[in-house]
Amino acid sequence: DSGVTQTPKHLITATGQRVTLRCSPRSGDLSVYWYQQSLDQGLQFLIQYYNGEERAKGNILERFSAQQFPDLHSELNLSSLELGDSALYFCASSVGAAGSYEQYFGPGTRLTVT
Amino acid sequence: AQSVAQPEDQVNVAEGNPLTVKCTYSVSGNPYLFWYVQYPNRGLQFLLKYITGDNLVKGSYGFEAEFNKSQTSFHLKKPSALVSDSALYFCAVREVPGGFKTIFGAGTRLFVKA
Repeated sequence: DSGVTQTPKHLITATGQRVTLRCSPRSGDLSVYWYQQSLDQGLQFLIQYYNGEERAKGNILERFSAQQFPDLHSELNLSSLELGDSALYFCASSVGAAGSYEQYFGPGTRLTVT
Repeated sequence: AQSVAQPEDQVNVAEGNPLTVKCTYSVSGNPYLFWYVQYPNRGLQFLLKYITGDNLVKGSYGFEAEFNKSQTSFHLKKPSALVSDSALYFCAVREVPGGFKTIFGAGTRLFVKA
């Protein structure tokens, strides 16, 4: 158990809908990352927050947004969902924002868009 | 731009034999390098990292990796494979300075046969 929690575990929704994925980092970690894992694209970095502030942005679509709250938990919002958004979404956390810190991954949320 | 390549989709090895999972990287500056492992239906787990110093890095579960700057490689090794090592292995790189995101390789599936 990495100490990173994600809810829900599974999510099934229809095209055009909006969902929110939630992540709680390990105790003491200030940085949160979001990743999308799919068979054809592999593991893609979406966005990173550090202590409530956006730190780095990757291949995140405009339909997706995220935030990190004062209690350090984070939410990833996915809207106008398309079939291609079906994937495993991981949250990870690290102590700091620097690149030398290893990341601890949650169990993931499996999103299925029908 | 930084990138990482895992040239083998799959590696097969017999239990008790040494294993190697290959990784090469490309960065403009210096790299921070990581190995993670993913078991079925689980998030990624940190194995080891190279930040600076000794080129041979030791990590969890008996794994080690050697940083080779001239060959821009960071191959993962283990002297004696176990069936329980069967999993998906990811190499990751972050560029220093200036790299604000971690780039993951496509992953290599390791099969250890009893």
